Amino acid sequence: EAGVVQSPRYKIIEKKQPVAFWCNPISGHNTLYWYLQNLGQGPELLIRYENEEAVDDSQLPKDRFSAERLKGVDSTLKIQPAELGDSAVYLCASSLGGGAGELFFGEGSRLTVL
Amino acid sequence: AQSVTQPDIHITVSEGASLELRCNYSYGATPYLFWYVQSPGQGLQLLLKYFSGDTLVQGIKGFEAEFKRSQSSFNLRKPSVHWSDAAEYFCAVGLPTDSWGKFQFGAGTQVVVTP
Repeated sequence: EAGVVQSPRYKIIEKKQPVAFWCNPISGHNTLYWYLQNLGQGPELLIRYENEEAVDDSQLPKDRFSAERLKGVDSTLKIQPAELGDSAVYLCASSLGGGAGELFFGEGSRLTVL
Repeated sequence: AQSVTQPDIHITVSEGASLELRCNYSYGATPYLFWYVQSPGQGLQLLLKYFSGDTLVQGIKGFEAEFKRSQSSFNLRKPSVHWSDAAEYFCAVGLPTDSWGKFQFGAGTQVVVTP
């Protein structure tokens, strides 16, 4: 069974440019998460989807960040415009939801903003 | 305030020695508890989890963890460390929301294994 797939793995952009990250969760997983991981820190939740509905986006900086999960499967996280402080790893995870608990993570997308 | 604390930022251990990583949480009720491992450039992989029942849980790669309600702790242990155990370890809690879908992670403990 395929795991959580993310792309691109690495992205280098100049500040003020836009960037997008894509995530394909494990088949059948209704819950999808985007986490931000700064160097030397634990993941911090940006947004959580239950199917196509964003049920927790309280930590998403909505002035520059946006996300969507069309048809309740793949998801895209966008930053526009990027700032220097956005340099980090963006992790996507999925789970069965409904109290099953375990998160399955992708390998992450490392963003460097110059 | 609700929190997950990993007191040790960095631990160095000799290969073959035992390892214990500490995790404490502060929540009103007992959450679900997890330990994840992250190798460089990789995503997080689940080592083990505790939902209820036996307070000593076994995981993959020879790891185990013990839940102690009185201490609000969920410490991870391995009797004999291998060089491949060098990685970053994260404790996480699943919070009691409508769907138990919200997770909070500790800051992580970096484990270095010396020959």
